[in-house]
Amino acid sequence: GAVVSQHPSRVICKSGTSVKIECRSLDFQATTMFWYRQFPKQSLMLMATSNEGSKATYEQGVEKDKFLINHASLTLSTLTVTSAHPEDSSFYICSARSGGPRGGNQPQHFGDGTRLSIL
Amino acid sequence: AQSVTQPDIHITVSEGASLELRCNYSYGATPYLFWYVQSPGQGLQLLLKYFSGDTLVQGIKGFEAEFKRSQSSFNLRKPSVHWSDAAEYFCACQGAGNTPLVFGKGTRLSVIA
Repeated sequence: GAVVSQHPSRVICKSGTSVKIECRSLDFQATTMFWYRQFPKQSLMLMATSNEGSKATYEQGVEKDKFLINHASLTLSTLTVTSAHPEDSSFYICSARSGGPRGGNQPQHFGDGTRLSIL
Repeated sequence: AQSVTQPDIHITVSEGASLELRCNYSYGATPYLFWYVQSPGQGLQLLLKYFSGDTLVQGIKGFEAEFKRSQSSFNLRKPSVHWSDAAEYFCACQGAGNTPLVFGKGTRLSVIA
């Protein structure tokens, strides 16, 4: 149980393109989803937290107009990298957690990540 | 705010040897604690978690971890390492409420024959 599907696994596109990454919880309802960015040989950096039906909360330094997050249902969140540039190339990982406002005693489950390469 | 420290960036062990990966946390109360494993180019897989109760928790793939409040530690152990255990290991903690995980910087495990 607790499977998170992230799609696509790899994207290569030209500079200036917008790219959408999908994150789905397949067998549970994800009241909260998280988006992380990971640079080579580094830990995960939290970009934003989104609760279903609410606007995402972005971490300091993350441009919300560059990284658009939508969490319209309990099983789907999307991250859109708008007008992507080479510096946006990275490994993006989504994570989902069930439970309500006190969902802290539920673990986060992770997708397999998306390798984004902007040429 | 909570923080997680993994003192060892890279550890190499022989196949069949025992393993201990260190993790220390900083938080005002007892946090929720987790260990995740990441293979190259993959997402994170949950190995085990501690919420409360028995301080020795068992996980998947033969891993276990022990929560020691006095040392603010949550070290991961495995009695006999297999070559397939080579990966990046992340310790993480979470405070009260619906807050996100805070990760350590990770420990890369290499396994040699």
